[in-house]
Amino acid sequence: DAGVIQSPRHEVTEMGQEVTLRCKPISGHDYLFWYRQTMMRGLELLIYFNNNVPIDDSGMPEDRFSAKMPNASFSTLKIQPSEPRDSAVYFCASSLNSDTQYFGPGTRLTVL
Amino acid sequence: SQQGEEDPQALSIQEGENATMNCSYKTSINNLQWYRQNSGRGLVHLILIRSNEREKHSGRLRVTLDTSKKSSSLLITASRAADTASYFCATEGTGANNLFFGTGTRLTVIP
Repeated sequence: DAGVIQSPRHEVTEMGQEVTLRCKPISGHDYLFWYRQTMMRGLELLIYFNNNVPIDDSGMPEDRFSAKMPNASFSTLKIQPSEPRDSAVYFCASSLNSDTQYFGPGTRLTVL
Repeated sequence: SQQGEEDPQALSIQEGENATMNCSYKTSINNLQWYRQNSGRGLVHLILIRSNEREKHSGRLRVTLDTSKKSSSLLITASRAADTASYFCATEGTGANNLFFGTGTRLTVIP
């Protein structure tokens, strides 16, 4: 199994631009999680899905952030418009029955 | 907040020594997990201990859980330079399906 796949690995954009991060979970996993990691705030859960349905999005910082999971093998996290304070590493993770989580390599986002 | 807190924040030891990291949390849990993160990489699951377990071993790792004190410890024996990484505890609360991660311990093993 290839593990959790995230793209792009690095993204540099200018303030105000739309950013879309992508994630392919491990096949057969029924939970998908989006996290953000910064030095100041550590690892924060943004949103998680169960069987493609958003369960808890209380960690999404603002309306500028949105996430979708149109099918069991794909999810996106979108930031529109992006701001410099959104700069962070964004991780996607998946799990089976919400147990052990398997993390992707992350997307390092820099907003100038 | 349910977030765990690791102690110490940073730890530096010589290769071959044992490393102990502690985690405290605030609410009732289903399980507690330890993850490792190498610089610039994603987190990797190390070990999971359930609320009705007190100790668990996996290779050079030993995890203890004291639910009365809401604390856990991770012991890495006979450390190696390759163990250099950040270590995070994560708790799954009762009735929850998500994890709350602590702030991490940065371990440096000097060859």
